[in-house]
Amino acid sequence: GAVVSQHPSRVICKSGTSVKIECRSLDFQATTMFWYRQFPKQSLMLMATSNEGSKATYEQGVEKDKFLINHASLTLSTLTVTSAHPEDSSFYICSARQDRPEQYFGPGTRLTVT
Amino acid sequence: AQKVTQAQTEISVVEKEDVTLDCVYETRDTTYYLFWYKQPPSGELVFLIRRNSFDEQNEISGRYSWNFQKSTSSFNFTITASQVVDSAVYFCALSEAPGNTPLVFGKGTRLSVIA
Repeated sequence: GAVVSQHPSRVICKSGTSVKIECRSLDFQATTMFWYRQFPKQSLMLMATSNEGSKATYEQGVEKDKFLINHASLTLSTLTVTSAHPEDSSFYICSARQDRPEQYFGPGTRLTVT
Repeated sequence: AQKVTQAQTEISVVEKEDVTLDCVYETRDTTYYLFWYKQPPSGELVFLIRRNSFDEQNEISGRYSWNFQKSTSSFNFTITASQVVDSAVYFCALSEAPGNTPLVFGKGTRLSVIA
């Protein structure tokens, strides 16, 4: 149980375009979902926390207009990187939790902006 | 403020050796949760264990064991008889009660098990 999927797993886009990443909890309802970013050989950096039906809470330094998060249902959250630039290239990982403290992570999405 | 320190950046061991990954944490809360996650080369983080601050019992799961000591604010992870498949980055993490708060991760320890 506690499976989280992410789609797409890899995406290459041109500078200036937008990319949407989906995060789904497949076998449980996620009360809270989190979005992280990970640069090569570094730890995970929290970008935002989202609860179903309410606005996401962004971490300091994360541009909410650039990284749009929508948590439309208890099983789906999306992250849209708007007007992507090469510096946005990274590994984006979502996690979800239900009614226990542990978070379950998706497989991640590797974004490359050319 | 919360902080998790994993002082070992990289560890390399020969297969069948035992290895301990260190984790030291800081928090002002009296109720908190500690976690270990494994990130293999594929990138997906795999949940290994959660420990509640009020439960200091050590835990063993197969070749894995965890030693939680509040007196030293440590939550160390030992792999016994390591195998090549154990090669991964291991992250220690902390979250404060009530548990829906974000995880604070350490920088991770990259473990390489050589055949």
